[in-house]
Amino acid sequence: GESVGLHLPTLSVQEGDNSIINCAYSNSASDYFIWYKQESGKGPQFIIDIRSNMDKRQGQRVTVLLNKTVKHLSLQIAATQPGDSAVYFCAENSGGSNYKLTFGKGTLLTVNP
Amino acid sequence: NAGVTQTPKFQVLKTGQSMTLQCAQDMNHEYMSWYRQDPGMGLRLIHYSVGAGITDQGEVPNGYNVSRSTTEDFPLRLLSAAPSQTSVYFCASSPAGEGYGYTFGSGTRLTVV
Repeated sequence: GESVGLHLPTLSVQEGDNSIINCAYSNSASDYFIWYKQESGKGPQFIIDIRSNMDKRQGQRVTVLLNKTVKHLSLQIAATQPGDSAVYFCAENSGGSNYKLTFGKGTLLTVNP
Repeated sequence: NAGVTQTPKFQVLKTGQSMTLQCAQDMNHEYMSWYRQDPGMGLRLIHYSVGAGITDQGEVPNGYNVSRSTTEDFPLRLLSAAPSQTSVYFCASSPAGEGYGYTFGSGTRLTVV
């Protein structure tokens, strides 16, 4: 999962396994959260989002879980594929401001064939 | 529909030089932002805009200026480049309102020597 240290957290999984990436967000007033995927040399790409009035949202092979009590967010990727290898960032709208996002430090996911 | 376009993709500057990083979007988005990304860290907000003629500072604004004369364009100016500004810069845009994720450009990799 993500941390406040300088080293990027890493997660290594086998192809076909499920992956879980965790994120602790900082502002209890934030009410909108996004997961982004960033491949090497590219900009962040939107994966899935969730509003604070929900605790779970599903997309295609991805699920985001939100626990507001402990300010925790997770991204679950089912049947992880080599193409899922990337850095994953969580982001929150800073204290409810829809025009500003605060990003976590990121988690590097490596999928082994 | 090109999305968010950033130019140049790569740039090397000497300390003290100035330059402008260009950002344009063709999605008629009200919100635009500039982020910088340093190794092992997430994205940090430099400046943002909620509409033409309106800009504000983010988390790390020192050494940068922005303007927003049109909805489409949001250039970032480095006034006097310093080695500490060596980074990858991302521009992003979003529709106004709740529940929209930002769309990111592909980035500008800047090296200051």
